[in-house]
Amino acid sequence: GAGVSQSPRYKVAKRGQDVALRCDPISGHVSLFWYQQALGQGPEFLTYFQNEAQLDKSGLPSDRFFAERPEGSVSTLKIQRTQQEDSAVYLCASSSRVADPTGANVLTFGAGSRLTVL
Amino acid sequence: GQQVMQIPQYQHVQEGEDFTTYCNSSTTLSNIQWYKQRPGGHPVFLIQLVKSGEVKKQKRLTFQFGEAKKNSSLHITATQTTDVGTYFCAGSGGSNYKLTFGKGTLLTVNP
Repeated sequence: GAGVSQSPRYKVAKRGQDVALRCDPISGHVSLFWYQQALGQGPEFLTYFQNEAQLDKSGLPSDRFFAERPEGSVSTLKIQRTQQEDSAVYLCASSSRVADPTGANVLTFGAGSRLTVL
Repeated sequence: GQQVMQIPQYQHVQEGEDFTTYCNSSTTLSNIQWYKQRPGGHPVFLIQLVKSGEVKKQKRLTFQFGEAKKNSSLHITATQTTDVGTYFCAGSGGSNYKLTFGKGTLLTVNP
C-alpha cells in the first residue's frame, strides 16, 4: 500500500480483556517496528522485525505483550489481560532498510491505534 | 540504557519569531533523526544526521549534529502557523535499528 495502515484506530477495552492490533506496512518493507506512545511522551520502542524474524523484543513491557509477523508483511501486536497502564497509542512503523552500520532506519509511521483500558 | 533528553518541553511563539529545540544524549550516537508530529497525528520523518558537526537545511529549518555526536538542535526561522506540532529527536547507538526518542518539544504559534 501507499502507507502504513493500522487497525483499529481506536479500541476501548475493559481491564482484563485481550486485544489485537494490526499493522499493514508499506509493501516490500523488510523492517517493522512497534512503538508505544503515552500521552505527552515520545514513542518508546517495543519490538523489531526483520521480515518474519523478531530480532528484538526487549521493549515489550511484560509477558502479556506478544507480537508476530508470520509471513514477513502484516504484523499483529497482542496484549493479554489488559491493564489500565496499557492505555496508550501503539504506533507501527516500517522501513525499506535492514539494520546496517551506515545509518539507522528512517521510519514511516502509521496513524496508530489508540488503546483505552477502562 | 540510552537516554535522549529534549528541551524545552513547550515553546509558544508569535508568528514570525524564531524557535529552537535542543536534544542531548547520554551516550554517543551513530546518527540522529528528527520527526514532526502534528496534533492528533503521527510522527513524520524530517531529516537524518550522521556526521559529526553536520548541518543540514530544509527551507526555514536548520538541523545540527554536535561535534561529539551527543547533541543536536533544530532551529526554525520565522515560524508560521503550519509549524505547529511536536518535534522529536531520535537517536540510535550501536544497534542502528532501535531509535530512542526524546519527549519532544511542543511548539505553538500565535498568528
